[in-house]
Amino acid sequence: GAVVSQHPSRVICKSGTSVKIECRSLDFQATTMFWYRQFPKQSLMLMATSNEGSKATYEQGVEKDKFLINHASLTLSTLTVTSAHPEDSSFYICSALGTGRTSYNSPLHFGNGTRLTVT
Amino acid sequence: QKEVEQNSGPLSVPEGAIASLNCTYSDRGSQSFFWYRQYSGKSPELIMFIYSNGDKEDGRFTAQLNKASQYVSLLIRDSQPSDSATYLCAVSTATSGTYKYIFGTGTRLKVLA
Repeated sequence: GAVVSQHPSRVICKSGTSVKIECRSLDFQATTMFWYRQFPKQSLMLMATSNEGSKATYEQGVEKDKFLINHASLTLSTLTVTSAHPEDSSFYICSALGTGRTSYNSPLHFGNGTRLTVT
Repeated sequence: QKEVEQNSGPLSVPEGAIASLNCTYSDRGSQSFFWYRQYSGKSPELIMFIYSNGDKEDGRFTAQLNKASQYVSLLIRDSQPSDSATYLCAVSTATSGTYKYIFGTGTRLKVLA
């Protein structure tokens, strides 16, 4: 159980274009999804927290107009990197918490991640 | 001060030995503690979690928590080459009615055959 699917696994795009990453919970309903970014040999950095049906909460330093997050249903959240630049190249990982699991005692379940390369 | 600190390693242990991974955290209000394993180029996978002081065992893995010292560790018994990976410590903290999961930078473990 608790399977999170992320798509695409790898994407290469040109500078200035936008890229959409999908995160789906396959066998449970996710009220909360977290989006992380990881640069090489660094830890996971939380970008934003999204709750189904409401606006995402962004971490300090993360541009909400650049990283658009939509959590329109209990099984799908999307992250769109708008006007991507080479410095946005990174490993983006989503994670999800199931409905009824709003306690911080619950472990996160991660998607497989998306390797974004902006040329 | 970083919120969650880990020694980056690499920690090298021979096959069959016990690997000991350590983590300290700064927020005394943290309630839940998680260990994840991350292979290169892959996303983290949950190994185990612990909420209460003391030890928690699951197969070859034992998590130890000492809230007074703000310290959590992971022991891996009978280490195997397949255990070679980066181990991430994560702490869940409630802030202003919301909660966050904060990750350490990870410790790279090498198990030598």
